[in-house]
Amino acid sequence: GENVEQHPSTLSVQEGDSAVIKCTYSDSASNYFPWYKQELGKRPQLIIDIRSNVGEKKDQRIAVTLNKTAKHFSLHITETQPEDSAVYFCAASEAGSYQLTFGKGTKLSVIP
Amino acid sequence: ETGVTQTPRHLVMGMTNKKSLKCEQHLGHNAMYWYKQSAKKPLELMFVYSLEERVENNSVPSRFSPECPNSSHLFLHLHTLQPEDSALYLCASSHGQGATETQYFGPGTRLLVL
Repeated sequence: GENVEQHPSTLSVQEGDSAVIKCTYSDSASNYFPWYKQELGKRPQLIIDIRSNVGEKKDQRIAVTLNKTAKHFSLHITETQPEDSAVYFCAASEAGSYQLTFGKGTKLSVIP
Repeated sequence: ETGVTQTPRHLVMGMTNKKSLKCEQHLGHNAMYWYKQSAKKPLELMFVYSLEERVENNSVPSRFSPECPNSSHLFLHLHTLQPEDSALYLCASSHGQGATETQYFGPGTRLLVL
């Protein structure tokens, strides 16, 4: 089955700096890679996703890159703000499967 | 409340109790999921229902029993749980079939087994 590794487990950045979270996956058949944000005491919410036919996707201050050859994908947050503080989860799935495999999460702290 | 709702939000139960968790989605989706979220572990998929049929069962102990009476409701029946079952139980729903569709999560039920 799929295995998703996520690094780092914790990340502290100064407000305004960039944050990068990296994930690797094991199953080359995976072709869907969502990122979820979970604020303290709240539900996980999708913030961005990418499919294997695309190498990069951007939405305002958030971007995701995918390297299928190396089997890794990354979340980039620019101009971080205190409200970006949360736990971020990456995940991977294969078309036709109901299994969405998550990483362990990265706790991001943005220091004002 | 719109989206995905879960009740109760908090539950404390003894190991001999029987309780049920309820999930309801108001999004017109046709797939529903149960996840377990424990500290310092990835979200673990427990069960998936698509069009009211169970399509995924990830080796979950039989003390957890899901039920999906229709496409809007999902239950998780609990009996004779263990302390290690204490966790946040999240329900999610999605449109279409397969995990490549965006999943929308409920707020979760925080379960404590004494």
